[in-house]
Amino acid sequence: DTGVSQDPRHKITKRGQNVTFRCDPISEHNRLYWYRQTLGQGPEFLTYFQNEAQLEKSRLLSDRFSAERPKGSFSTLEIQRTEQGDSAMYLCASSSADTTGDTEAFFGQGTRLTVV
Amino acid sequence: AQSVTQLGSHVSVSEGALVLLRCNYSSSVPPYLFWYVQYPNQGLQLLLKYTTGATLVKGINGFEAEFKKSETSFHLTKPSAHMSDAAEYFCAVSQYNTDKLIFGTGTRLQVFP
Repeated sequence: DTGVSQDPRHKITKRGQNVTFRCDPISEHNRLYWYRQTLGQGPEFLTYFQNEAQLEKSRLLSDRFSAERPKGSFSTLEIQRTEQGDSAMYLCASSSADTTGDTEAFFGQGTRLTVV
Repeated sequence: AQSVTQLGSHVSVSEGALVLLRCNYSSSVPPYLFWYVQYPNQGLQLLLKYTTGATLVKGINGFEAEFKKSETSFHLTKPSAHMSDAAEYFCAVSQYNTDKLIFGTGTRLQVFP
C-alpha cells in the first residue's frame, strides 16, 4: 500500500485555462475527500465521495469546479476557466468507514496550483 | 455547526522545552477531535485523535492531547521539543461516523536550538 497519491504535484496554468487533478486513494478505502488549502489557512472541505456517489459538496465549490469518481476508485477534480483566486494546494484524502464510526483520513501530498 | 479555533498562529520554543498548542472547538454534537501535522509542501499526517473513552490521548512522536468537555478544549502538548517538531499543526473536528474534517487555521511551531 503506497498511500494516497496525487498527480501532478505542481501545476502552473494561465488564467482562463482548464486544469484537472487526479487522486488515487488507498485501495480498500471507500471514502474520498477533496480539500483546498490556501496560504496560511487550514484545509477547507470541498467535496466527498462514498464509493462512486458524490454525497456532499461545499458552497466553496463553484460551478467551475467538478469532481468525479467514476468507478469508486480514483477521482478527478477539474477546474474550468481558472482564476487567480483558485491558486491553492488541493488535497485529497481517503478513509474506510466502519460500523463504529472510528475512521481515519489519510492525506495525499497535494497538488499545488498556481494561476498566473 | 462545528468550528475550531487555534489560539496563536505562531509558537516558538527552545529545544527541550514544553510544547503547548491550543485548540478550542464548538460542536452541537459529541465531537471527534484530531491533531494533524504538516511539513512544508507535504500533506497532513495524523498525530492523534479522540473519539470516545479515555480523555487523555497519546499520539506519535511523543505528543498527547486531553479532551476537556467543560472547557471545549483539545490542547496538544509534548514535554520536550525536538528540532524535528518544527512544522504546521492543525486541530480538526468531525461528527460521528463522518470524517469530513473542519480544520482550524493552524499553528506554526518553531523550535530553536
